[in-house]
Amino acid sequence: DARVTQTPRDKVTEMGQEVTMRCQPILGHNTVFWYRQTMMQGLELLAYFRNRAPLDDSGMPKDRFSAEMPDATLATLKIQPSEPRDSAVYFCASGPGLRSPDTQYFGPGTRLTVL
Amino acid sequence: AQSVTQLGSHVSVSEGALVLLRCNYSSSVPPYLFWYVQYPNQGLQLLLKYTSAATLVKGINGFEAEFKKSETSFHLTKPSAHMSDAAEYFCAVTNTGNQFYFGTGTSLTVIP
Repeated sequence: DARVTQTPRDKVTEMGQEVTMRCQPILGHNTVFWYRQTMMQGLELLAYFRNRAPLDDSGMPKDRFSAEMPDATLATLKIQPSEPRDSAVYFCASGPGLRSPDTQYFGPGTRLTVL
Repeated sequence: AQSVTQLGSHVSVSEGALVLLRCNYSSSVPPYLFWYVQYPNQGLQLLLKYTSAATLVKGINGFEAEFKKSETSFHLTKPSAHMSDAAEYFCAVTNTGNQFYFGTGTSLTVIP
């Protein structure tokens, strides 16, 4: 049963610290998405990649957030420096990218708490 | 621009009763529509999707949704609620297949 995996599942850190979240997309999927979920804003798309290339990161605060795909099996979302307002659940999703629409398969999320 | 509106952030039904979760969409082009379910502390799981084929779409766990273009709606239904249906439900729309726009979610409570 292929699944998207995310690490860590929970992260508590102090303001100003660097945070790196990792995602392993389903093998063979060529689209990857990063979302942030908060009570106030709901689900927000931060960035998405196709074939490891960033297609859209307009939803991401550029000054502190960065997203990369070092290889096809790993996507990372980094926050530096972190702030309390970044506290949220961050989801990664991947899709086969073979047809339109592309079904997105979500990971379990990383719950980030910035103190 | 595309968006979805989910009417009712909280819905309560009795076990065995009809479940109806509402979703209206806005799209300037023919949309693709999805329903996802999120159980506590888990990611979103696809329930069903509309991709311009049959307007009545059947999904997992006995859920179905009907695409009504005239009403710009894609409401989710289930004839008989089960305790295990208690979760958060999200409607989403896309036309490109990449950028999904999610609704704010509806929390379903099932009363025994």
